[in-house]
Amino acid sequence: EAGVAQSPRYKIIEKRQSVAFWCNPISGHATLYWYQQILGQGPKLLIQFQNNGVVDDSQLPKDRFSAERLKGVDSTLKIQPAKLEDSAVYLCASSPFIGGNEQFFGPGTRLTVL
Amino acid sequence: GENVEQHPSTLSVQEGDSAVIKCTYSDSASNYFPWYKQELGKRPQLIIDIRSNVGEKKDQRIAVTLNKTAKHFSLHITETQPEDSAVYFCAARGTNYQLIWGAGTKLIIKP
Repeated sequence: EAGVAQSPRYKIIEKRQSVAFWCNPISGHATLYWYQQILGQGPKLLIQFQNNGVVDDSQLPKDRFSAERLKGVDSTLKIQPAKLEDSAVYLCASSPFIGGNEQFFGPGTRLTVL
Repeated sequence: GENVEQHPSTLSVQEGDSAVIKCTYSDSASNYFPWYKQELGKRPQLIIDIRSNVGEKKDQRIAVTLNKTAKHFSLHITETQPEDSAVYFCAARGTNYQLIWGAGTKLIIKP
């Protein structure tokens, strides 16, 4: 079974630029999560999708972050404009359904904002 | 809001000894408690989990205990080995199905 795919793996941008991350969950997984993991901290949930609907985006900084999962499969997370404090690893995870126990993580995208 | 506190932040043990990591959660409605291991530069991976209707669960050298009354749960690793070196995260799942994560414990196994 293929795992969660993410791209790019690394991205370096200057502050005020825009960036987008892509995630392809495990086939058939209905629930998709985007996390932000700052160095030395635990993952922080940004947004959770169930199919193409948003379940929780309470911690998403909506003035600069946006995410979509239009067809209920792939998802993109965008930051516009980026700030220095956005430097982090952005992890995508999926689980079979909303109450599914295990979350399967992708390799992450390491973002550096200069 | 809901939060999960994890201690210690760093734990150094001699190879072969046991390691214990403790977490406390605030949401009394939490019903699922996973532990994830994250090696340097890699993705978190689930190593063991426990549901709120169980007090203890064991898988070879790893065990998790849950005290619902006190709202805390612990990870126990026995006979530690060099490959156990990693950052360990506890988490608690609330009623809206989102996981609240602890800050992590860096486990160092000394040879």
